Amino acid sequence: EVQLVESGGGLVKPGGSLRLSCAASGFTFSSYSMNWVRQAPGKGLEWVSSISGNSNYIYYADSVKGRFTISRDNAKNSLYLQMNSLRAEDTAVYYCARRYSGSGTYTDDFWGQGTLVTVSS
Amino acid sequence: DIQMTQSPSSVSASVGDRVTITCRASQGINSWLAWYQQKPGQAPKLLIYAASSLQSGVPSRFSGSGSGTDFTLTISSLQPEDFATYYCQQPNSFPITFGQGTRLEIK
Repeated sequence: EVQLVESGGGLVKPGGSLRLSCAASGFTFSSYSMNWVRQAPGKGLEWVSSISGNSNYIYYADSVKGRFTISRDNAKNSLYLQMNSLRAEDTAVYYCARRYSGSGTYTDDFWGQGTLVTVSS
Repeated sequence: DIQMTQSPSSVSASVGDRVTITCRASQGINSWLAWYQQKPGQAPKLLIYAASSLQSGVPSRFSGSGSGTDFTLTISSLQPEDFATYYCQQPNSFPITFGQGTRLEIK
């Protein structure tokens, strides 16, 4: 059974840092790209960042570029998001999702339960 | 960036109704479109990928169609568990973008 479990969220002051983790199980982690997607309170879904299985390809939303760093440790079946220079507008539930490739397209076929990040003084 | 626009933003319907939600891309995306369902306090759940392919385990009352810029999600006969928010997504071009969501409410 595919499982994704996020951790590391919490309350942080503006300008602070936080590192999110996503523990994966039930599939060959290194074979899949992974995404971080966030959702501000009462708002829609916003893609944050993607990383390929071998970490060769990394992409960021403009809203987090230069402040957030995605990484992974395939030996530990773990995905990370290092968040620096946090702003109030980064307050959201952060989800990790498996990026499946098939039928000529990609989909986020499995999602974790999310971890809440609150940026407030 | 490819913008995804859903309509309507919200819809009220009754159990047994047929409901259609539309998603329009700002440029052609072939059939590279996914639909997700999200219930309050839960993570999104994949319903449809490649515009019309039903994800394993998803009831057959859900269907998707379209290509290019215009797509639809149809629920043929609403069930109580279908009341939720639905999002379209273009997953192939970075930045990946979502529609703003359609909230499906009980009439």
